[in-house]
Amino acid sequence: AQSVTQLDSHVSVSEGTPVLLRCNYSSSYSPSLFWYVQHPNKGLQLLLKYTSAATLVKGINGFEAEFKKSETSFHLTKPSAHMSDAAEYFCVVSDPNFNKFYFGSGTKLNVKP
Amino acid sequence: GAGVSQSPSNKVTEKGKDVELRCDPISGHTALYWYRQSLGQGLEFLIYFQGNSAPDKSGLPSDRFSAERTGGSVSTLTIQRTQQEDSAVYLCASSLLAGVAGELFFGEGSRLTVL
Repeated sequence: AQSVTQLDSHVSVSEGTPVLLRCNYSSSYSPSLFWYVQHPNKGLQLLLKYTSAATLVKGINGFEAEFKKSETSFHLTKPSAHMSDAAEYFCVVSDPNFNKFYFGSGTKLNVKP
Repeated sequence: GAGVSQSPSNKVTEKGKDVELRCDPISGHTALYWYRQSLGQGLEFLIYFQGNSAPDKSGLPSDRFSAERTGGSVSTLTIQRTQQEDSAVYLCASSLLAGVAGELFFGEGSRLTVL
């Protein structure tokens, strides 16, 4: 079975400081992992995905995530937060056939001016 | 249309009534997914379609829930005899192909409130 655990329900950072959103996964197979972002009253949007290629994945808007098998982690980072980054972020793992995508409970990112 | 369209955007109903939620995916997308997002929780997988076929319905919470897809396009999620615990945002997503690690394109959801 596949699942993800987002370790923080809320993260608050100041504008211009680094962002770290933590995700641990559990998978019976070599996982494929994703991060999605949901801005208020908007649909979810793909930030980045890992599918067994390079372990450091670059996404849109300056976000990156590193797949660490030894730690079963896929944390999302950004060097410098922007006000527009305030949103809810979801870590996602797929089943091996990419038919089901399992979402974490989400992390709400607050960016303070 | 340009994106995934869901209707209604908001629905308030009385306990025991039936509701239908509609999803119009991006044209040409063969895969379609339904999720439920309850307050303070992540997205709960309900069902997916490959074309008009739903190979796995095990995510549907109860037999009051059903879904269909016709013409490889529009999908309808039906909830019969609604209960207060059905209150949630129901999200639909589509992707170009099933069975690949493609991007899911989400609609803005249908917010259901059961009184």
